[in-house]
Amino acid sequence: DQQVKQNSPSLSVQEGRISILNCDYTNSMFDYFLWYKKYPAEGPTFLISISSIKDKNEDGRFTVFLNKSAKHLSLHIVPSQPGDSAVYFCAASALNQAGTALIFGKGTTLSVSS
Amino acid sequence: EAGVAQSPRYKIIEKRQSVAFWCNPISGHATLYWYQQILGQGPKLLIQFQNNGVVDDSQLPKDRFSAERLKGVDSTLKIQPAKLEDSAVYLCASSPRGSGNTIYFGEGSWLTVV
Repeated sequence: DQQVKQNSPSLSVQEGRISILNCDYTNSMFDYFLWYKKYPAEGPTFLISISSIKDKNEDGRFTVFLNKSAKHLSLHIVPSQPGDSAVYFCAASALNQAGTALIFGKGTTLSVSS
Repeated sequence: EAGVAQSPRYKIIEKRQSVAFWCNPISGHATLYWYQQILGQGPKLLIQFQNNGVVDDSQLPKDRFSAERLKGVDSTLKIQPAKLEDSAVYLCASSPRGSGNTIYFGEGSWLTVV
């Protein structure tokens, strides 16, 4: 049973436009959410996070939105650049539980064309 | 600051053979994780250490996988005997205390079982 779901395996966007990657979760105990970016042959790198006390967190071109009632979060990249082409993983954890490792979705492959 | 170091980067073995992966976390990081990432899937936690104690190993196939973190720093993950379905990237990650569960990954060890 997947607790973190990324239902779109891939997304194609033109350079300069907005990329929106979506993520849904089922566990209401999750209170911390992260996005990781992964290039081929490299490990995932941390991109941005948000705690459940917020509904938005922004860092440069990247913004994460959290809708707790819908158990949904999204990552917006504006403007998209070719270097953003990678696999993006959504991850979640419950900070107050023992064994607070991250649970990951299957990832969305973003392709940004110039 | 040096990142998470892993070795070997690539390993090809025959089924029923054994293999070991080594990880050196970021200096000062108390928590260490081993994740398994099968092609097309998100990373899945195998084991989490806090210093040299195991916090969560509920998803570690203990009949063939073992891991240790002696002295609370380096860690080794062993597979014996390997099966074809163990072909995956083995990702080591670490996190400091109070990080809000942001974890930092190494580049991964790529295992192919033939």
